[in-house]
Amino acid sequence: GAVVSQHPSWVICKSGTSVKIECRSLDFQATTMFWYRQFPKQSLMLMATSNEGSKATYEQGVEKDKFLINHASLTLSTLTVTSAHPEDSSFYICSAVGGDENIQYFGAGTRLSVL
Amino acid sequence: DQQVKQNSPSLSVQEGRISILNCDYTNSMFDYFLWYKKYPAEGPTFLISISSIKDKNEDGRFTVFLNKSAKHLSLHIVPSQPGDSAVYFCAACLVRGGGGADGLTFGKGTHLIIQP
Repeated sequence: GAVVSQHPSWVICKSGTSVKIECRSLDFQATTMFWYRQFPKQSLMLMATSNEGSKATYEQGVEKDKFLINHASLTLSTLTVTSAHPEDSSFYICSAVGGDENIQYFGAGTRLSVL
Repeated sequence: DQQVKQNSPSLSVQEGRISILNCDYTNSMFDYFLWYKKYPAEGPTFLISISSIKDKNEDGRFTVFLNKSAKHLSLHIVPSQPGDSAVYFCAACLVRGGGGADGLTFGKGTHLIIQP
């Protein structure tokens, strides 16, 4: 199956700092990547859709100025959590779509803890 | 409001028996459904999917059934093996007519435990 790499897997940072998370499709080109967030005992919730070369589309309630998404190439999308606060602590996970547009392949996720 | 629901947080099944995981959805616009399997500290792994124009899709030990009128789908695993122990997520999306992909709406997951 298609491989999606996400880095880092775990990050701890102080309140007010910015954190960048990378999502790479390793063996396929992904015109579309997605960013999800999961709080404890909740389901994965879509945050935004990232299309290569264009602006990301954010879901309702997700602040685009806080969660900056860049999809500069067909294999890389980045999510930057700006001025992170403890309430941003969560599990962030990306996915990428390859040949079959209906099947998303997921990275391993990033556990963000903001102190 | 939860559009995709997995009402069983956990399920315990004996090795060799059939595991049946259930999923209900409320949005009748969904027309593509997927099952993912997740181990701790790993991302979800795609298992099997089904389009709304079908009522069954089979792949090896895994079969997904879709009942559109009931807005219900189920994943059958037979025979169940110890390596099947994981959290299983049901997901749904809308298929765009002009191409492109949409984000998935996930259920909360069911933790399947296969007992030896």
